Amino acid sequence: GDSVTQMEGPVTLSEEAFLTINCTYTATGYPSLFWYVQYPGEGLQLLLKATKADDKGSNKGFEATYRKETTSFHLEKGSVQVSDSAVYFCALSDRNRDDKIIFGKGTRLHILP
Amino acid sequence: DVKVTQSSRYLVKRTGEKVFLECVQDMDHENMFWYRQDPGLGLRLIYFSYDVKMKEKGDIPEGYSVSREKKERFSLILESASTNQTSMYLCASKAFFGQGTRLTVV
Repeated sequence: GDSVTQMEGPVTLSEEAFLTINCTYTATGYPSLFWYVQYPGEGLQLLLKATKADDKGSNKGFEATYRKETTSFHLEKGSVQVSDSAVYFCALSDRNRDDKIIFGKGTRLHILP
Repeated sequence: DVKVTQSSRYLVKRTGEKVFLECVQDMDHENMFWYRQDPGLGLRLIYFSYDVKMKEKGDIPEGYSVSREKKERFSLILESASTNQTSMYLCASKAFFGQGTRLTVV
């Protein structure tokens, strides 16, 4: 079945460092891809999404590009802030499978001042 | 902006109680979902619905039921709450999530 694999955390960086969180997927169809962010005690916030190959999703300085050839959707940010500390989830959904969302296990990010 | 609202942020219930978790969306979406999130287990799908009065079991439906009488509202029901149902419950409307309900069963 469809699945998402993302790098394990925690990831610890200094403020203003460059961030990459790797995500790869397995899917039989043509899924949409998502990154979600979860702050402590909160629900999931949709950070960005891409619906087809070569699309780039972006929001709040974060970016990710849908790479069909490598089945990847890596999250990047050029200069992280302490306020970016959270858990990040990569996910996919397929409209041919009722839009069910399949999640990676999440990556905890700590940003040090 | 899409708004998905869960009726409670925090709930404390006693073992054996019937518990209702409510979720409302304002985007006229057909597909709605209930997940639970537990440390080390990630997010697991409990039930989903793709239309009014339609429901499908997810990966862990045991001990739960759902109700979808109107398109905008999707309710999760714990028929007889147990301590192993203590968890964070997340409702989604397509790809958009509510703020979560942290349920503690004592």
